[in-house]
Amino acid sequence: QVQLQESGPGLVNPSETLSLTCTVSGYSISSGYYWGCIRQTPGKGLEWLGTFYHSGITYYNPSLRSRVTISLDRSKNQFSLNLRSVTAADTAVYYCARFGWGNYYYMDVWGRGTTVTVSS
Amino acid sequence: EVALAQSPGTLPLSPGERATLSCRASQSVSSNYLAWYQQKPGQAPRLFIYGASNRASGIPDRFSGSGSGTDFTLTISRLEPEDFAVYYCQVYGSSSITFGQGTRLEIK
Repeated sequence: QVQLQESGPGLVNPSETLSLTCTVSGYSISSGYYWGCIRQTPGKGLEWLGTFYHSGITYYNPSLRSRVTISLDRSKNQFSLNLRSVTAADTAVYYCARFGWGNYYYMDVWGRGTTVTVSS
Repeated sequence: EVALAQSPGTLPLSPGERATLSCRASQSVSSNYLAWYQQKPGQAPRLFIYGASNRASGIPDRFSGSGSGTDFTLTISRLEPEDFAVYYCQVYGSSSITFGQGTRLEIK
């Protein structure tokens, strides 16, 4: 069955780059579906960060577009989230997910999530 | 970007009762673009309904979704103890995805 596992730094200094890796098992990212990241904070709730397709198509949250990049490592069946110039407001639980995209839009497989704290 | 407003914020009910959760979009959206999730403490959200009315794999038939345009509803016909959780609606619009703020279904 398809599983996603997030790995993250736990703690990031303000103004630095948050890097999160999502490892997919049980399915090849290059075979299809869309993939991406969501985060959750007590204040703002669930927030979509971005979605990509293995062909190179990407979609990003307009409010974060200038700071976020999602990239694919086909050899490892992983994708990575980079969020630049972080502040305390980026402290959240970060999730990776598989997306239905195109006819229906939903996230049907989620990782367990990883907590990232932005603090010096 | 489409905004979603969920109501009520908290819904206290007893097992066996019927639950009706509302999700209102700031503009009309295709029913295909509306999904519902359940989240329990310490867990990731779980897809329950997609396309406004289609149950995801493994979701019991006591859960049903309905609605169109700007008004959507998640109904739980008879609450089981495991149904008490937070429910979120989610929509796609303008190449972007947004979530509602959630409805907490709690035991009365």
